[in-house]
Amino acid sequence: DQQVKQNSPSLSVQEGRISILNCDYTNSMFDYFLWYKKYPAEGPTFLISISSIKDKNEDGRFTVFLNKSAKHLSLHIVPSQPGDSAVYFCAASGSNFGNEKLTFGTGTRLTIIP
Amino acid sequence: DARVTQTPRHKVTEMGQEVTMRCQPILGHNTVFWYRQTMMQGLELLAYFRNRAPLDDSGMPKDRFSAEMPDATLATLKIQPSEPRDSAVYFCASGSGLRGNEQFFGPGTRLTVL
Repeated sequence: DQQVKQNSPSLSVQEGRISILNCDYTNSMFDYFLWYKKYPAEGPTFLISISSIKDKNEDGRFTVFLNKSAKHLSLHIVPSQPGDSAVYFCAASGSNFGNEKLTFGTGTRLTIIP
Repeated sequence: DARVTQTPRHKVTEMGQEVTMRCQPILGHNTVFWYRQTMMQGLELLAYFRNRAPLDDSGMPKDRFSAEMPDATLATLKIQPSEPRDSAVYFCASGSGLRGNEQFFGPGTRLTVL
């Protein structure tokens, strides 16, 4: 039973345009959501997070939106750059403490076309 | 530059052999996680420890997998006997108890069981 779902395995976006990655979850106990970025042959690295008390969090070119009623979150990257080409994982946790387990989605491979 | 280290980075073995993967968490982090990345499941949690005590190993096949933390600087994941379906990338991550602190991942061990 996949509690965190990323329904798009891949996405291609032109450089300079907006990339939108989507994530859905089923467990209403999730309280904290994160996006991780992964390059080949490396471990995932933290990108941005959002607590369930907020509906938006922004960090430079990256913005995460949370719609709790729809159990949906999205990551917006604008403008997209070639270095953004990677696999993006959505993750959820029951709290915002870094020592709580994360439930991950299956990932979306983003390709930025120069 | 604090980071999680994992050894070996690559392991090729034959079915039935024992495999041991090692992880050194970031100094001062009190929680260590083992994840496995597969194409179908994405990143799935196998087990995790807090202050060296196992908290949850429900994601592991108990008959063949075991995870331990002999001391605060070393976590091990052992598979005995290994099977071809165990082929995957295994990631170790560590986290602290700080609010908002994300988990930091190691580079992973790519395991191939022939």
